[in-house]
Amino acid sequence: KQEVTQIPAALSVPEGENLVLNCSFTDSAIYNLQWFRQDPGKGLTSLLLIQSSQREQTSGRLNASLDKSSGRSTLYIAASQPGDSATYLCAVIGNEKLTFGTGTRLTIIP
Amino acid sequence: GAVVSQHPSWVICKSGTSVKIECRSLDFQATTMFWYRQFPKQSLMLMATSNEGSKATYEQGVEKDKFLINHASLTLSTLTVTSAHPEDSSFYICSASRRQMMNQPQHFGDGTRLSIL
Repeated sequence: KQEVTQIPAALSVPEGENLVLNCSFTDSAIYNLQWFRQDPGKGLTSLLLIQSSQREQTSGRLNASLDKSSGRSTLYIAASQPGDSATYLCAVIGNEKLTFGTGTRLTIIP
Repeated sequence: GAVVSQHPSWVICKSGTSVKIECRSLDFQATTMFWYRQFPKQSLMLMATSNEGSKATYEQGVEKDKFLINHASLTLSTLTVTSAHPEDSSFYICSASRRQMMNQPQHFGDGTRLSIL
């Protein structure tokens, strides 16, 4: 059974700093990995999708990496802003299902 | 881009009421939609996979008679929580993708907050 873990569970950083969120998964037989953000009481917004054959994807200030063999992905956020405050979830896709990580609650301090 | 609409966004009702939640893909056809449940400060747990024109596939521990799923068209899936009780109070979210999910991002609805009194 696939298990996805995100560390840390919560993170607070001053505005302007760069930061890294971590995601690890136990079964490397995945098709792709997707990062989402979730604002309180809201649904999920897709940030980046990395295919299993890719090593990274970039979108604006976000960069996601994938090391399938070691079962790890990172989400790098550059020059953080208060609007980046949210819960960030990673999800791996395998066997036609998404398995979500436990999430990292990010707070950017103005 | 792809948009998934979920309705209603918030429901409060008495114990014993049945509640229907709709999930629509607005600008694409979705042969498969997924239903998730999220408790406060927890991650999303897959409840069932909704397949257009066939029966839904439920995850272990999810009561199919309690959570009725209908996927009658390529743009609409519904989740009905039958005879809801306070323990069914949760945040329910649906998702869909354009084609096979292995190569396409999942798009999520805004969720439905269900509160059973």
